[in-house]
Amino acid sequence: ETGVTQTPRHLVMGMTNKKSLKCEQHLGHNAMYWYKQSAKKPLELMFVYSLEERVENNSVPSRFSPECPNSSHLFLHLHTLQPEDSALYLCASSQGQGASYEQYFGPGTRLTVT
Amino acid sequence: GNSVTQMEGPVTLSEEAFLTINCTYTATGYPSLFWYVQYPGEGLQLLLKATKADDKGSNKGFEATYRKETTSFHLEKGSVQVSDSAVYFCALSRGDKIIFGKGTRLHILP
Repeated sequence: ETGVTQTPRHLVMGMTNKKSLKCEQHLGHNAMYWYKQSAKKPLELMFVYSLEERVENNSVPSRFSPECPNSSHLFLHLHTLQPEDSALYLCASSQGQGASYEQYFGPGTRLTVT
Repeated sequence: GNSVTQMEGPVTLSEEAFLTINCTYTATGYPSLFWYVQYPGEGLQLLLKATKADDKGSNKGFEATYRKETTSFHLEKGSVQVSDSAVYFCALSRGDKIIFGKGTRLHILP
């Protein structure tokens, strides 16, 4: 248990659906991250929030829309996804933003797009 | 650009065997280096790190030494256990970001 929870753990959605992934951290951290983990590929950083402000957006398609309403919660809103978006989506948090701060990861949401 | 290359898996060993997972990196400047571990059904956890050349990171019996001359950060453990079965990620810092390798899956047989 790392103090970072993600719901749902598994999600199957059609290409026309709209769904949201939720992440919550109980560590009092100020930075939160979304990563995409695909088989046989490096972990891809998607978004970074620091003090609820988005500080990084790594050329992610607009069908992924993040939201950070407060420092404890992070959402990833999904709409009109493609089958290649099927992956494990990991949320992480850290005390501050930057590589010198250890990131704590949630267990991930396994997303399947049909 | 900055990148990490680690050995392809899966790696399968018997319990109590010696483990080495190779990792080499390409970077400008002097990055920090990390090993993360992902146990089945869980997110990544920091296993160990080293912040400068010749530093040795260690945790839970695992070790890795920051070798600037060979740009390597190989992960080693003297005697693996079944509970070490997981995916291991080598990573480096680039500015404010962490760049991860593709991961190496490790299976330990009883």
